[in-house]
Amino acid sequence: KNEVEQSPQNLTAQEGEFITINCSYSVGISALHWLQQHPGGGIVSLFMLSSGKKKHGRLIATINIQEKHSSLHITASHPRDSAVYICAAHSNTGNQFYFGTGTSLTVIP
Amino acid sequence: KAGVTQTPRYLIKTRGQQVTLSCSPISGHRSVSWYQQTPGQGLQFLFEYFSETQRNKGNFPGRFSGRQFSNSRSEMNVSTLELGDSALYLCASRLGMNTEAFFGQGTRLTVV
Repeated sequence: KNEVEQSPQNLTAQEGEFITINCSYSVGISALHWLQQHPGGGIVSLFMLSSGKKKHGRLIATINIQEKHSSLHITASHPRDSAVYICAAHSNTGNQFYFGTGTSLTVIP
Repeated sequence: KAGVTQTPRYLIKTRGQQVTLSCSPISGHRSVSWYQQTPGQGLQFLFEYFSETQRNKGNFPGRFSGRQFSNSRSEMNVSTLELGDSALYLCASRLGMNTEAFFGQGTRLTVV
């Protein structure tokens, strides 16, 4: 069983739709990261969360520590949001990242 | 300030050769970690260095090694390359142990 499970694996949305990507983890964490990877490989860190909720522009990330669950929301989605979104749990023992398999998002104009 | 720089961006090697990849972290960052990304396995943790010491290592064979220099730049070495080592190798730098990670663009290694 993977330490981090993400869903859905693939997501296609119409421009303007509200999008939710879910992440569940089984390890104890010091922080939960949401990453964005565009074709070509480069990864950008969107959020680092240890509790509650963070917002940056149209992106919102939430985490429920008790339920070991995090969500990434994109409001008013746009074609430029098309990318792979990866959830990464930073373990509080062993000091390493465990990664979800990623959610491939395509936003259609 | 400059981001995380990985060199080279692309590399083609022959099976059995060895390869060294370089990662220059953001100025002032002391932690550098390395990851392998393949279509089948996704992102996997290789190792992390902090102040020239390896702090943790993932589940990879001994052919994968690394080091960190006093200026925090890190190198990763893979010896006796196998076809399955073809992957995108990413490094990330952090200021400290529980701070945000910043990723480089990666080195795409192809073993033929």
